[in-house]
Amino acid sequence: NAGVTQTPKFQVLKTGQSMTLQCAQDMNHEYMSWYRQDPGMGLRLIHYSVGAGITDQGEVPNGYNVSRSTTEDFPLRLLSAAPSQTSVYFCASTFREKAGELFFGEGSRLTVL
Amino acid sequence: DAKTTQPPSMDCAEGRAANLPCNHSTISGNEYVYWYRQIHSQGPQYIIHGLKNNETNEMASLIITEDRKSSTLILPHATLRDTAVYYCIDSGAGSYQLTFGKGTKLSVIP
Repeated sequence: NAGVTQTPKFQVLKTGQSMTLQCAQDMNHEYMSWYRQDPGMGLRLIHYSVGAGITDQGEVPNGYNVSRSTTEDFPLRLLSAAPSQTSVYFCASTFREKAGELFFGEGSRLTVL
Repeated sequence: DAKTTQPPSMDCAEGRAANLPCNHSTISGNEYVYWYRQIHSQGPQYIIHGLKNNETNEMASLIITEDRKSSTLILPHATLRDTAVYYCIDSGAGSYQLTFGKGTKLSVIP
């Protein structure tokens, strides 16, 4: 079991560029989500999915897109990167019946210049 | 914004019990208390959760007061590897949307 795998671990973008952060889990979890964490702050929910084909917005969805075509993958797309999106991004997943017991990936550190 | 209140930092001597408090002033009857920790910018790690009763697992114990307005996470024998930021979270049954505050930075001192 690899758990929750995030790629890339580090990325530097220029303002206006687009990119996709990848998240994959091999635990057959129905629920997946993306959080961002800014320095000295807690985590804020961006988007989440309760199953393939179903996505919904979290607390801070603006500037991000997601899709869930398979149970295993939940990519996060930055459409036009802005310096305010400089952050550490965490993907998390869990079983439907264990809603609050999230498994997190190791994070992706994004810098937007 | 997080609904819970935690001290920003605490120290604990290695080998002693670490008792991390949390206030849940607005917790409702069907909301669970969850505890996570985050070691040095790694992904957060689930520790334990409870509703009304005290809970214990291989990592920690959770004490919830009778009025459920406060909880305490207990690490019985803290080690240097327990140095981390600890988050307490209120969340409704079946809710996936956990709100993480700033947590308590626990430093375990040799």
